[in-house]
Amino acid sequence: QKEVEQNSGPLSVPEGAIASLNCTYSDRGSQSFFWYRQYSGKSPELIMSIYSNGDKEDGRFTAQLNKASQYVSLLIRDSQPSDSATYLCAVSQTSEKLTFGTGTRLTIIP
Amino acid sequence: DVKVTQSSRYLVKRTGEKVFLECVQDMDHENMFWYRQDPGLGLRLIYFSYDVKMKEKGDIPEGYSVSREKKERFSLILESASTNQTSMYLCASSLGPGAVETQYFGPGTRLLVL
Repeated sequence: QKEVEQNSGPLSVPEGAIASLNCTYSDRGSQSFFWYRQYSGKSPELIMSIYSNGDKEDGRFTAQLNKASQYVSLLIRDSQPSDSATYLCAVSQTSEKLTFGTGTRLTIIP
Repeated sequence: DVKVTQSSRYLVKRTGEKVFLECVQDMDHENMFWYRQDPGLGLRLIYFSYDVKMKEKGDIPEGYSVSREKKERFSLILESASTNQTSMYLCASSLGPGAVETQYFGPGTRLLVL
């Protein structure tokens, strides 16, 4: 079983709709959770971090964490073509290391 | 802003060559990381370092070594390059041990081993 799992996609969403990205993890001791965005040919950049159960909102982005069910999700409201990218979920079991999922490719259709 | 730079964007080497990939960060970060990224496999940790001259193996250290002689610089060494080491190599840094901090990535080096 992979430690961090994501649906590879591609996930196609119409412009202006809500894009929903999901991630599950296997280690119940995981403490910190991150969403990175990676444009084609570029390096990952952090867009959200979440540490406690519930929702965390930042502009059009909302991260949701449910430790009991071991999943974390990212919602993107009012999706824009510029949101088209691969989204990487990352989970930390220790204070230094991150374990990444393989990423979900998101395409926003104008 | 944190800046992480890598010595080359693209590199072509021959099988058996010794390859050096350099990474420099300018924010006095304690932690530095080397990953490789391959389609369908995601980001995999090769080595990381939490202090000068300190290193820890990641998930796929075989065929690689690292060097951290100065705090700002972390080098990845392919002792004898092989074709299965053709990949995108990403360096990252984060603030320090004892707290989970954002990892900031360099632009990546795309290595082709012929």
